[in-house]
Parts: sequence; structure tokens; C-alpha cells
Amino acid sequence: DGGITQSPKYLFRKEGQNVTLSCEQNLNHDAMYWYRQDPGQGLRLIYYSQIVNDFQKGDIAEGYSVSREKKESFPLTVTSAQKNPTAFYLCASSISTGKLAFFGQGTRLTVV
Amino acid sequence: DAKTTQPNSMESNEEEPVHLPCNHSTISGTDYIHWYRQLPSQGPEYVIHGLTSNVNNRMASLAIAEDRKSSTLILHRATLRDAAVYYCILTNNNAGNMLTFGGGTRLMVKP
Repeated sequence: DGGITQSPKYLFRKEGQNVTLSCEQNLNHDAMYWYRQDPGQGLRLIYYSQIVNDFQKGDIAEGYSVSREKKESFPLTVTSAQKNPTAFYLCASSISTGKLAFFGQGTRLTVV
Repeated sequence: DAKTTQPNSMESNEEEPVHLPCNHSTISGTDYIHWYRQLPSQGPEYVIHGLTSNVNNRMASLAIAEDRKSSTLILHRATLRDAAVYYCILTNNNAGNMLTFGGGTRLMVKP
């Protein structure tokens, strides 16, 4: 089945550790995105990529890093520099930016 | 970027119609109006979108004001499974245009 997959669904890490969240899509989409969602809030854009080997910072990129070495994959690393990393992280993809987006089921990261 | 304004929350009774409003007074001529909804602990899912004319699909209807400064998402018969946060978003085909999510409207459906 075509879709966008995030793994794992739940992730626990100790403070000070880097952690990488996985996002894979088999929809042949050029654009991919990472959003962060805090309880009761809307989605905020962390990073986006319009095409392979290219990505841009979103509104809240500090403390995060990404790579886009393959069209299908857009992993997000939450570094120890992110002051408040506990959140729900959502990955999305679309044919191109601004087009209809498909979202993964999210990864809930808890840093203790 | 053009912004949207939605009520924080709305309530509906099961099996009754629901009208979810969205104001977008600074919409440009090339902006599409998209609606997504997010069920608890899930990623958002696409509901419907339109440019100028009203649109219908199996999930909902979208009514767009003649001046395009507002729109209304219509759920014809609300079910308990429609309880979610509904986001109204403007987007266009310009390169680099992002989906910018506001706070959305939390719809509560009473049995």
C-alpha cells in the first residue's frame, strides 16, 4: 500500500542524547516536511525539503537537523541543543510544496 | 502568508449538520482553501479543498463566499467519529509554499 510511515510510534530518550526519527514514503513525492505539535496546539514547521539533497529551515529549526539523501526518506534528528524536545512529531509529503499533503501517524517523543 | 481565523471550539449533536467557519480576509487570487482534520493522537488527514466554487466529496462540502474572504466546511450528519480538530489552510502553487497550520477548531460531537 502507498503511504507515509513514521517509526517508532513512541520514543523515550534521556536528556542530552541525540535521537533520530524515521520518515519513509513510497508515494513518489518530491516534497517532505517535519512538523512539531505540542499538547493542545497546532502544527509548527521544523524543516522541509522540496527535492532530494535539498532542504530548508522552517519556523522552529533550532536544535534539529535533517537529511534528504533519498527521495523516499527524510529523517529528523533531535539534538541535545533542542531545549524542550518532548512533543509529537509529524512527517508529511506532497507531490510538490503547497499541494495536498499526506501525513504519517506521528512519533511521540518523550525526553526524561 | 495569508492567515486564517477559526473558532477555537464548536459543539454539535450526533446526526445533525455542522458548519465550521473560516475567515481568510487577506486571501490572494491564487490561494486554494484546504481543510484537514486531525483525530486524537493521529496525523492530519485531508478533507476537502477548493478555489472559487463550492465543492462536495464523500466526507464533506465546502462553501466558499463569493468574495472568497470566508469559507465554511459542512459535515452533513455529524458522527462521533467526526470529533477532531479541523484546520483551514491557504496554499498556492508557488514554489516553496508551505502548509501553515493555525490552532484549528476542536469539534466535539455529543451523542
